[in-house]
Amino acid sequence: SQQGEEDPQALSIQEGENATMNCSYKTSINNLQWYRQNSGRGLVHLILIRSNEREKHSGRLRVTLDTSKKSSSLLITASRAADTASYFCATALGNRDDKIIFGKGTRLHILP
Amino acid sequence: DGGITQSPKYLFRKEGQNVTLSCEQNLNHDAMYWYRQDPGQGLRLIYYSQIVNDFQKGDIAEGYSVSREKKESFPLTVTSAQKNPTAFYLCASSTQSGGYTFGSGTRLTVV
Repeated sequence: SQQGEEDPQALSIQEGENATMNCSYKTSINNLQWYRQNSGRGLVHLILIRSNEREKHSGRLRVTLDTSKKSSSLLITASRAADTASYFCATALGNRDDKIIFGKGTRLHILP
Repeated sequence: DGGITQSPKYLFRKEGQNVTLSCEQNLNHDAMYWYRQDPGQGLRLIYYSQIVNDFQKGDIAEGYSVSREKKESFPLTVTSAQKNPTAFYLCASSTQSGGYTFGSGTRLTVV
């Protein structure tokens, strides 16, 4: 069963611009995580934000979480060609950290 | 360097054959997971294990089997009962409170 749903499904922007991806989910969560997947590779963990946190930063990444709206956003600032990848949100449900459910992802393409 | 290793990278299966995908981690993580990814799709959970000698079915366990005899190893067998096994298989491990670490995947094709 899919819990998180990313929006948009695909996004193309010029290099140097900011990219924003959104994730909505249905039930209460313990934490929400963002991952990146380059084509044909495994996923790389980017950021984990807990249900009691509202914003988190890591380098050029900024994640926000609004539990009242059951949504999260991932902002990548000053995008680079190497940011071209699929981005997935994943949610850990209820009081469990150990099992997470992935959305279908946003395919981000950075244009030179 | 700690990490998680999946092998082989590519695997071809004939109709009616069982095949086993290997997943090994040296991160000392308690929990391990197997996911299936179809083209353009997210990840769907096949099986997961939180501790040695214990594992739980995920959302799409039918046609698959696993074992967890050692903390480091969580092999996945795709049985002949799995009617549509062609997919990208990803193994992951985690601590109780952290993000997941993924292997680089095994691409299984039925020939």
